[in-house]
Amino acid sequence: DAGVIQSPRHEVTEMGQEVTLRCKPISGHNSLFWYRQTMMRGLELLIYFNNNVPIDDSGMPEDRFSAKMPNASFSTLKIQPSEPRDSAVYFCASSSDIRFYEQYFGPGTRLTVT
Amino acid sequence: GEDVEQSLFLSVREGDSSVINCTYTDSSSTYLYWYKQEPGAGLQLLTYIFSNMDMKQDQRLTVLLNKKDKHLSLRIADTQTGDSAIYFCAESSNTGKLIFGQGTTLQVKP
Repeated sequence: DAGVIQSPRHEVTEMGQEVTLRCKPISGHNSLFWYRQTMMRGLELLIYFNNNVPIDDSGMPEDRFSAKMPNASFSTLKIQPSEPRDSAVYFCASSSDIRFYEQYFGPGTRLTVT
Repeated sequence: GEDVEQSLFLSVREGDSSVINCTYTDSSSTYLYWYKQEPGAGLQLLTYIFSNMDMKQDQRLTVLLNKKDKHLSLRIADTQTGDSAIYFCAESSNTGKLIFGQGTTLQVKP
């Protein structure tokens, strides 16, 4: 069974450009989480969805960040315009309602904004 | 607000036991977790414990929870070089929203 799939694995972009990160959760999981990992702030929850509906977006840094989940098998995190301080590793994780306490993480997308 | 604290670094010799400690502040924490992150990889769920338990053992891993002191520990028996990684403690309530500590880097010397 495939785990959480994220793409791209690495992204290098210039300041001001739009960046879109993609995530496919584990089949059958109906909660999806976006996290960001930096040296300074550690692991932070940005937003999470349940049954494709955003439940808590209080961790989204600012209006430049947006996330969507158009269906149960796909989510995007978009940064527009990107800034150097957005450089981080972005992780997607998913869990099921029955075992919601077991979150499984994808391999992450390493974003570098120059 | 919720906070999770860990020591940043631990060094042990291969074959010894490792004990990684964590403290948390949220008394409503329902689940406590240990995740492992190897270089360049995502987080791997190692084990978790419900707040109404004191101990959980899974092969070489033993988790101890002192709910009164809000203290969680992870003991790795017979530590191997493959155990070298960053270990994250995390807690959540019933929402499933995880609050992570800053991670403990475990270095295993041969």
